[in-house]
Amino acid sequence: NAGVMQNPRHLVRRRGQEARLRCSPMKGHSHVYWYRQLPEEGLKFMVYLQKENIIDESGMPKERFSAEFPKEGPSILRIQQVVRGDSAAYFCASSPDLGKAETQYFGPGTRLLVL
Amino acid sequence: GENVEQHPSTLSVQEGDSAVIKCTYSDSASNYFPWYKQELGKRPQLIIDIRSNVGEKKDQRIAVTLNKTAKHFSLHITETQPEDSAVYFCAPDSNYKLTFGKGTLLTVNP
Repeated sequence: NAGVMQNPRHLVRRRGQEARLRCSPMKGHSHVYWYRQLPEEGLKFMVYLQKENIIDESGMPKERFSAEFPKEGPSILRIQQVVRGDSAAYFCASSPDLGKAETQYFGPGTRLLVL
Repeated sequence: GENVEQHPSTLSVQEGDSAVIKCTYSDSASNYFPWYKQELGKRPQLIIDIRSNVGEKKDQRIAVTLNKTAKHFSLHITETQPEDSAVYFCAPDSNYKLTFGKGTLLTVNP
């Protein structure tokens, strides 16, 4: 799973700024999941994307958060007008298979700190 | 959606003792039951998993047992070592999503 890459690894933003988190899946994987981990909690599902499609965004906050996975390039999780409560570790996982939880490989995460 | 509960939330054992962590879930359609180990500042690492057609699986010092009727599965670590100290998460699937428990902080005292 070392093949899933995320950048930046650490990101500091001031309240009101935008945060962009990138995830490059493993070679040959066309499915990406984003999870958020608040301090001292488990990971929580946010969104599931296939190339150029959002399959399930039921875990995304209704405002300020968006995600995309374009035909070319990494998947992007975008947080607009960040607030302190957005401080968390954001992990992406990639999978080669449609709809299979057991083939998800996690990236190293991006730790977002909002001042 | 899936409700997942993990017990205990913290566990402290002496080196060489066994550790058991239990996970209960609510979605009867869950078919995949993994355990992850997460060290501070690192990604979750899959340490063992089991599918619903199997009751028990073992890999060296680590084992997972599943009771699908009662909707719970457990992680067993024998002969614990200080390097087993970490946070452990169960994460049963609900369709393609993994639903993580809140974690168990395991401390193995030398």
